[in-house]
Amino acid sequence: AQSVSQHNHHVILSEAASLELGCNYSYGGTVNLFWYVQYPGQHLQLLLKYFSGDPLVKGIKGFEAEFIKSKFSFNLRKPSVQWSDTAEYFCAVNSYSGNTPLVFGKGTRLSVIA
Amino acid sequence: EAQVTQNPRYLITVTGKKLTVTCSQNMNHEYMSWYRQDPGLGLRQIYYSMNVEVTDKGDVPEGYKVSRKEKRNFPLILESPSPNQTSLYFCASSSPPNYEQYFGPGTRLTVT
Repeated sequence: AQSVSQHNHHVILSEAASLELGCNYSYGGTVNLFWYVQYPGQHLQLLLKYFSGDPLVKGIKGFEAEFIKSKFSFNLRKPSVQWSDTAEYFCAVNSYSGNTPLVFGKGTRLSVIA
Repeated sequence: EAQVTQNPRYLITVTGKKLTVTCSQNMNHEYMSWYRQDPGLGLRQIYYSMNVEVTDKGDVPEGYKVSRKEKRNFPLILESPSPNQTSLYFCASSSPPNYEQYFGPGTRLTVT
């Protein structure tokens, strides 16, 4: 069965600090990988996705993630966070063919302080 | 505008009183699913549907029912709600080839 681990439950950063959120998955085949963001009181929005090709993917709002197949990882990065990045971030995976349910990690809460 | 809608957005009810949360999508997506979100547990899938009349259990199906009579609608039914079903519920839809999911705005349910 697929599973996703997000290592950090809560991350607190000052504005302009760099961000890296860890995500590791467990699955025996080829996968699609996603990062979703949930701003306070809102629904989930897609930040970025990896299906195939260049393992470094760029998403909205300056976020990027790198797929490292050998490490089963898909870490999310941003070079300089802003207060408006305060949100909860979820990593998710499904099989490349899409015929398995999307499995989410437990989420990482990011608090950015001025 | 492409979207997933849910109703109601907020609901407070009492134990045992049957309720239905509706979900509708206008993107002609084949795949629809329901999740519940609880603090510290992330999103857990309740039920999903690969197409009309095809539904299957997710990770936490107990106490819930679903139906998929039309492609656009996927209601979530709680026949006899209990306090442990107090949660934030999200509906999502997607389609091949990669099943990128689009989420509804959420329904906050409180069962007293």
